[in-house]
Order: sequence, then C-alpha cells, then structure tokens
Amino acid sequence: SQQGEEDPQALSIQEGENATMNCSYKTSINNLQWYRQNSGRGLVHLILIRSNEREKHSGRLRVTLDTSKKSSSLLITASRAADTASYFCAKSFNTDKLIFGTGTRLQVFP
Amino acid sequence: DAGITQSPRHKVTETGTPVTLRCHQTENHRYMYWYRQDPGHGLRLIHYSYGVKDTDKGEVSDGYSVSRSKTEDFLLTLESATSSQTSVYFCAISDDRSRSPLHFGNGTRLTVT
Repeated sequence: SQQGEEDPQALSIQEGENATMNCSYKTSINNLQWYRQNSGRGLVHLILIRSNEREKHSGRLRVTLDTSKKSSSLLITASRAADTASYFCAKSFNTDKLIFGTGTRLQVFP
Repeated sequence: DAGITQSPRHKVTETGTPVTLRCHQTENHRYMYWYRQDPGHGLRLIHYSYGVKDTDKGEVSDGYSVSRSKTEDFLLTLESATSSQTSVYFCAISDDRSRSPLHFGNGTRLTVT
C-alpha cells in the first residue's frame, strides 16, 4: 500500500505543551499535506509541503519532510484547547488523487 | 470558506434501496472527489472527477457510481445500499489535481439499516 502509517493514533497533552504527529509513506511523493478535522466537520487544509522542501511554517505549526526516510512530522507549539481535533496527513503521488492516512486524535486539556 | 454544499446532511435508508448524494460547488474548480470516512480507516477515496463527464475510480469504488454533467455538481449514487456503506461521506474540490489543497464539504452521514 502507498498509504504508510501515522502515529501516534491518539495523543493527550496539557495546554502549553507541544504536540508532534508523524506520517510515513512508502513510495515517492509529489507533495504531502496536513489537514485538521474538528468533530462532526469536514477537513480543513493546514499546510502543503512539496517533495523538494524540507520545512514549512504557519503560525504555531511546523511541518518537516524527510524524503530519505519517507516521513513527515507536524509540530504544534504551545498547544491550546482549541487545537483539540483529528489531524491527517495526505500524500500526493503525482496523480489526480490524494491518499489520506488514518489520522491522529489530539486532545488538549486546559 | 470554499463554497461546497453537500446534501442531504443526514440520511437513513434501507438495505437494497438506491441512494444519491449531491455535492455542489460555487468555485468553478475542475477536480471533485468523493471520500468516505470510517473509524480505523481514515478517509478513503471512492471516485473522483477531473472534468465534466470525466470520472475515475478510487480505492473503494465497488457499489458506487458517480456522474458529473455540470462543473458545479458531482453526484454519488449507491446503486443498492448495503449496511457496509453506512459511513460519513465527504465531497472535496481542488483546482489543480492533488498538487493543490482540497477544500471539503461538511459531510453526509448515511445510515443503511
């Protein structure tokens, strides 16, 4: 399967702590995207990182990509209760399709 | 927010009946996708469209068909609904294949009894 894995499946932290989620894949990608999903809602795009990029930032979010290890990480710094959601990575294999992982459920306690 | 509307938002139907879900966009995006979301499986691609009347299969297309007669509308039909098709269905749009972010609708929760 091209999907790879996401870990951890679930993560619980206190407000103010950092949260790190990882995503791996098995074949070369064109880009990798991270999405957030609040309960009962659709997914919202966070960051897209292309295969020739190593790091991208957006506010408190930092995404890294290591193509040699075929992995990516999403770091949320100084987390807030409002960051509680599920986070998904999605891989583009240079086709019309975007393949999603199974996600990480993040719970941030006040 | 991208203009994507899914209808209905909730539906309960009986096994063996046909069901059609609608996705309507106001963004004039070329690419439209149907995903299903199930616990433990994340999102799985059912079908997608790369233009009017142009569609292709995704990972889990068996038992589903799609149609796109206008840029703004993408229909997903369950030909004969089964309990295994109980799921949350999401429509998404993109203006540049998988090289651009997807914008998602708020989903349709379908229950097949």
